[in-house]
Amino acid sequence: EPEVTQTPSHQVTQMGQEVILRCVPISNHLYFYWYRQILGQKVEFLVSFYNNEISEKSEIFDDQFSVERPDGSNFTLKIRSTKLEDSAMYFCASSEERQGVAFFGQGTRLTVV
Amino acid sequence: DQQVKQNSPSLSVQEGRISILNCDYTNSMFDYFLWYKKYPAEGPTFLISISSIKDKNEDGRFTVFLNKSAKHLSLHIVPSQPGDSAVYFCAASMEYGNKLVFGAGTILRVKS
Repeated sequence: EPEVTQTPSHQVTQMGQEVILRCVPISNHLYFYWYRQILGQKVEFLVSFYNNEISEKSEIFDDQFSVERPDGSNFTLKIRSTKLEDSAMYFCASSEERQGVAFFGQGTRLTVV
Repeated sequence: DQQVKQNSPSLSVQEGRISILNCDYTNSMFDYFLWYKKYPAEGPTFLISISSIKDKNEDGRFTVFLNKSAKHLSLHIVPSQPGDSAVYFCAASMEYGNKLVFGAGTILRVKS
């Protein structure tokens, strides 16, 4: 069964460093997303991406964040200068249609120290 | 952001009985609803969805009911199995939107 894969599964970084979280969405999907879940809190939407551009972003997704689809298979989330409060599980998701079912990856646990 | 609410943090059910998980929403623009299941250290796994043009959708042991006038949906699991023990999230999206809005989740424990 096709699945969304994320690497790494766990990333520890020092405050102020840049991190790149990587995702391989399901191959025939056209819509890509990043969500995050801070420990003990809800799963929160960060950004959606379609046709090589951001289609929607949340207030959380400020200038420190960027997304890219560098080739036909990868989808990345970059955090330029990490803060302690960026520590969370980051989930990549993809869907075939805009309002279709979003399939999630297993997540990357980001720990900023 | 309290647009999607799951007011029961946890639910405990005996194996073989029915589990009923509830979800309320406030935004009348939501028209597509999904339930996800999540195990620790894993991503959410899609279970079942329902469009606002329906009031019921069934898939095996899982049935989702939607009451638009009450802005309420529920997930029924019959019969419940120990492997169903997980966190269940309700999520909603709007017709012209791109994102899912999640509830806080309900921890389901199925006792054998």
